[in-house]
Amino acid sequence: DAGVIQSPRHEVTEMGQEVTLRCKPISGHDYLFWYRQTMMRGLELLIYFNNNVPIDDSGMPEDRFSAKMPNASFSTLKIQPSEPRDSAVYFCASSLRDSSYNEQFFGPGTRLTVL
Amino acid sequence: GDSVTQMEGPVTLSEEAFLTINCTYTATGYPSLFWYVQYPGEGLQLLLKATKADDKGSNKGFEATYRKETTSFHLEKGSVQVSDSAVYFCALGDSGGGADGLTFGKGTHLIIQP
Repeated sequence: DAGVIQSPRHEVTEMGQEVTLRCKPISGHDYLFWYRQTMMRGLELLIYFNNNVPIDDSGMPEDRFSAKMPNASFSTLKIQPSEPRDSAVYFCASSLRDSSYNEQFFGPGTRLTVL
Repeated sequence: GDSVTQMEGPVTLSEEAFLTINCTYTATGYPSLFWYVQYPGEGLQLLLKATKADDKGSNKGFEATYRKETTSFHLEKGSVQVSDSAVYFCALGDSGGGADGLTFGKGTHLIIQP
């Protein structure tokens, strides 16, 4: 199995530009999560989906952030317009609902730098 | 809401030393507990887990016991190696057996010196 795939691995952009991060979850998993990691705030859950439907987006910091999951094998996180304080590592994770626990499998992350 | 508190790092040890990284949590109900490890430039990997009180998770020489009475899940290893250098995250998950997002601690950076 290829694991969770994220692209790009690194993104450098200028303030005000639109940024799109992509994620392919593990085949067969029915949950997908987007996290953000910064030195100041650690790992924060932004949004998660179940069967392609957004369940909880309370962690999305502002209206500039949006996420979609058009099908079971693809999700995007978009920031428009981007700001320097959005610089962080963004992780996607997926899981398969289990009655005993909920292990999540993480992708390698996208390191975003907004100048 | 749910929260996880870990000891601040970095923690620097010599090879073959005994390791303890403290983790305590606050949650309603009975969450599942996890330790994840992040090596430089990589995503998080599950190290071990425990799903109910008194369960002991173990993997690669690491152990942690789910202590409900002290709301703790401390990570231990008897003899650390240089290759254990990484950032370790304690996390808790939904207590209902569902698959909500995890709540993570801030992470503890572990440095093992030869």
